[in-house]
Order: sequence, then C-alpha cells, then structure tokens
Amino acid sequence: TQLLEQSPQFLSIQEGENLTVYCNSSSVFSSLQWYRQEPGEGPVLLVTVVTGGEVKKLKRLTFQFGDARKDSSLHITAAQPGDTGLYLCAGDSGNTGKLIFGQGTTLQVKP
Amino acid sequence: GAGVSQSPSNKVTEKGKDVELRCDPISGHTALYWYRQRLGQGLEFLIYFQGNSAPDKSGLPSDRFSAERTGESVSTLTIQRTQQEDSAVYLCASSLVASAIAEYFGPGTRLTVT
Repeated sequence: TQLLEQSPQFLSIQEGENLTVYCNSSSVFSSLQWYRQEPGEGPVLLVTVVTGGEVKKLKRLTFQFGDARKDSSLHITAAQPGDTGLYLCAGDSGNTGKLIFGQGTTLQVKP
Repeated sequence: GAGVSQSPSNKVTEKGKDVELRCDPISGHTALYWYRQRLGQGLEFLIYFQGNSAPDKSGLPSDRFSAERTGESVSTLTIQRTQQEDSAVYLCASSLVASAIAEYFGPGTRLTVT
C-alpha cells in the first residue's frame, strides 16, 4: 500500500516567519501535487511537480520534488495570515485517476 | 458554470437510509473524480470517470456505494443503507484531460449519518 506521510501535522507561527512542510513516502510517484484547502471549501491545486529534483516557485512558496521522486517539500517565506489553511500533498501512483493523499498539515499564521 | 458545483452542501440522514449526492463538473471536462474526506484526515479516492471508458471503481469501500455519470456531464454518488462511518465530506473534482490529477474540486457535500 502506498502512503504519503506529511509533517508536521500542525504548525502555528507568527506572521513573517518561514516554514517548511514535508511529504515523504517509500514509494516512487509519477508526479506530486500540493493543494491548499480552507474550511468549507474543496482543495485548490497549487502546483504539480513531475521531474526528480524539480523546484517550482509560486510567489513566496517554493516546492521541491526529491531526486528519487519519493518525497517533496513546501517552503513558505515570510508567511502571511492569508497563508492559513490545510496543505495537502498528493501523489500520482501511476494507476489512472487515483491520487494518494497525505493526511495534511494545518497551518495557522498569526498576525 | 464557473467551477465544479455539488449538491446538497449538507445532508443529515438517519442510519439505514439511502442518499444521493450530485456533482456538476466544469463544462467540457473529460475526467471526473469522487473523493471522501473524514474529519482531520486527507482525501480518500473513491471512483474516477474518464470520458466513455469504464470507470475506475477500485476505491469504493463497499457495495453500498455506487456512482454514475452521464456522458461528460453530471455525476451522482449513491450510498445505500448509510452507516455512521459514512459520515464525511464527499468531494468531486474534474479535469480537462484524463489523468490522475484532480485539477478543480467542488466545495463538497458534508454527510452526517445519525
């Protein structure tokens, strides 16, 4: 069974701090997605990474896919209260239509 | 429409009753996915529709769960004889092209079985 472990599960920081969220597996994924979800809404796709070692930047967010395509990280620089939410990583197992999701990281950024 | 819509937004039902959840994908999107999210957990894959191909039903947890999709439009997820463990948020997503990547999620239907 393929699993994705996210850490930390909960993170509460002050505005302006930096943070990193990790997503780890023993399995290789064809691609890996990061989503952000706010209460009462569906997840919003932030990025897809497909190549081992790939780094993508989205404003203050930096996403990295591990060289072996088994792990990924999300780094946020100078966090803002608007970054508050549930961050989910999800891997494409290669089985059509099915994503394997991590359990999520709840981020709270205090003003 | 502008995005994926789901109805109802909330559903409270008694144990043993049947429920039907509806998803309207973005127009023209070939792929449609259903996921389930239990409180405080990540998403659990249920079923995937890709155009006119046979759906991937490998994530349906029991034979009480079924789903249909008419062409590339509306999908319904039916849960028969609901149990308390079925309580969760049921999320639908659609994508323009067929792949594993669920691009656009709806707001979900929160199902509570009492």
